[in-house]
Amino acid sequence: ETGVTQSPTHLIKTRGQQVTLRCSSQSGHNTVSWYQQALGQGPQFIFQYYREEENGRGNFPPRFSGLQFPNYSSELNVNALELDDSALYLCASSSRQRGVYGYTFGSGTRLTVV
Amino acid sequence: QQQVKQSPQSLIVQKGGISIINCAYENTAFDYFPWYQQFPGKGPALLIAIRPDVSEKKEGRFTISFNKSAKQFSLHIMDSQPGDSATYFCAATNSGNTPLVFGKGTRLSVIA
Repeated sequence: ETGVTQSPTHLIKTRGQQVTLRCSSQSGHNTVSWYQQALGQGPQFIFQYYREEENGRGNFPPRFSGLQFPNYSSELNVNALELDDSALYLCASSSRQRGVYGYTFGSGTRLTVV
Repeated sequence: QQQVKQSPQSLIVQKGGISIINCAYENTAFDYFPWYQQFPGKGPALLIAIRPDVSEKKEGRFTISFNKSAKQFSLHIMDSQPGDSATYFCAATNSGNTPLVFGKGTRLSVIA
């Protein structure tokens, strides 16, 4: 059973640029949730995807968008990057039935905006 | 608005000692309270979780104590070991399909 894989592990972007982060969900999982973890903070919910549609969103602006693919993998896109977007971005997969009870987190992508 | 408040921010414990981390919540609809452990460079991993119908849950050296009336819950790590050194997050949710609300985390260092 493979776990949740996120790529890249680290990247540096310039303010105003766009970035795409990727997540491969654990085998058997069909929902993907994205969280932002700023330095010294707990993870904050960005949004969740189920059946290739957004299924819940936290308090993040529209420049944060995502996709889920038929194989349940997912992308997080952030446009017009701001310095405050620097954070660890975590992907968590689960089954629809188990929801948060069955979360498996990836190791995250560390994004630095300069 | 922070819905889950966690303390302390950091904690240093001697090997063999008891580590205690506390959390308080505001939303009385919360019905699931997990604790996550995060090592540097890794994502959070579920450690132990409790529902409000019990006041305590123990798994090995890890115990959650839950006080529904006070809207507080705590993690106790008995016989703390250097390998327990990590950041611990409490969290809460009000159903299986709503997102987790996390505390700000506690960085635990267990020294020999």
